[in-house]
Amino acid sequence: GEDVEQSLFLSVREGDSSVINCTYTDSSSTYLYWYKQEPGAGLQLLTYIFSNMDMKQDQRLTVLLNKKDKHLSLRIADTQTGDSAIYFCAERKAAGNKLTFGGGTRVLVKP
Amino acid sequence: ETGVTQTPRHLVMGMTNKKSLKCEQHLGHNAMYWYKQSAKKPLELMFVYNFKEQTENNSVPSRFSPECPNSSHLFLHLHTLQPEDSALYLCASSLDTNSGNTIYFGEGSWLTVV
Repeated sequence: GEDVEQSLFLSVREGDSSVINCTYTDSSSTYLYWYKQEPGAGLQLLTYIFSNMDMKQDQRLTVLLNKKDKHLSLRIADTQTGDSAIYFCAERKAAGNKLTFGGGTRVLVKP
Repeated sequence: ETGVTQTPRHLVMGMTNKKSLKCEQHLGHNAMYWYKQSAKKPLELMFVYNFKEQTENNSVPSRFSPECPNSSHLFLHLHTLQPEDSALYLCASSLDTNSGNTIYFGEGSWLTVV
């Protein structure tokens, strides 16, 4: 299977919380990232977590890491229409600085 | 604005054309990357340069030729491409290729090969 997997699509109502999930296979991953891509744009780094952390919070964003299960999630509180985008999970392996990306989760926020 | 600028943002080229994509970073970084994002595949790393030296070529066909004249600039020269090469090409940079340095992406260059 793929190194990093994400569900394809998430629909959420404005004001609700969104949770985007990601699984990865390489237990030696050092950093895990969330990038956001708006239509027609490049990748914007949202947040990242070091592999020895369980949780990281940054304003409306909460990242949870379950290293045992190799599961990463991104929670967006009070989701806004501007949060509609594709969200990519990426892992960085212990050696080098190469990112392996998931296929992206398209988030649609409905008013 | 991430500090990584790509030009052109959109490019349409014929299969016999020669064109180049340009990337410039204003972050004082020493590592630069080319990634390809096509419709049905995850983002793929193409090339890595660290201090102007190519350190990674991810089995990219020779019709894609990168050039890194200095740490701030990265080019992707395109020659006799195929329609399946149509994709978003993303440039990125980081302080260097040591693990732990965050990678910042540009806005991408949309390439259509006709």
